[in-house]
Amino acid sequence: GAGVSQSPRYKVAKRGQDVALRCDPISGHVSLFWYQQALGQGPEFLTYFQNEAQLDKSGLPSDRFFAERPEGSVSTLKIQRTQQEDSAVYLCASSYKTGLNTEAFFGQGTRLTVV
Amino acid sequence: GQQLNQSPQSMFIQEGEDVSMNCTSSSIFNTWLWYKQEPGEGPVLLIALYKAGELTSNGRLTAQFGITRKDSFLNISASIPSDVGIYFCACWWETSGSRLTFGEGTQLTVNP
Repeated sequence: GAGVSQSPRYKVAKRGQDVALRCDPISGHVSLFWYQQALGQGPEFLTYFQNEAQLDKSGLPSDRFFAERPEGSVSTLKIQRTQQEDSAVYLCASSYKTGLNTEAFFGQGTRLTVV
Repeated sequence: GQQLNQSPQSMFIQEGEDVSMNCTSSSIFNTWLWYKQEPGEGPVLLIALYKAGELTSNGRLTAQFGITRKDSFLNISASIPSDVGIYFCACWWETSGSRLTFGEGTQLTVNP
């Protein structure tokens, strides 16, 4: 597709339920990022992939959060045993190359509500 | 994490007015990116700046990369109602090379 695609757009989960959020980056983009955005805040970094390698996962808030990108394209962010504080918009971004001087393009996000 | 100080936090203006917002940091960056986010959508890239002193325009938007590499501003001229949204500055955090850090955002409201 032309842009970064995320699914589902909205997800309501009962507390304790596991969820999986999908990201389809722009074709050919090497780098993929996951961000968490709370209401009224800027996006906060969660994790970064260069192709299939997860090079930085220091932003993941707990061991309930897990991300993978097994073939270097589509990525999945999984949250186990969801808690109310996990409610947020989860954004995925991709960029064509690695390094600092590049542009990152975001998907529309998945709004997760834990009830 | 690295902090980008963005101001103002919010702006309420009349259609046709010019707008200016800025970001500052205590650290040096190689790239400044400006994004716009509308309700229910992801951030959309407006302008990318790669060189200290660089001034770049995109339609009615103009952004500059500060000489010190620690700040940037975004101007919007002749605002229109569809300019409404939250504007974020963002920088690649140099120490890790993999983390895009965002400012707190400027909420822009344009009254017709």
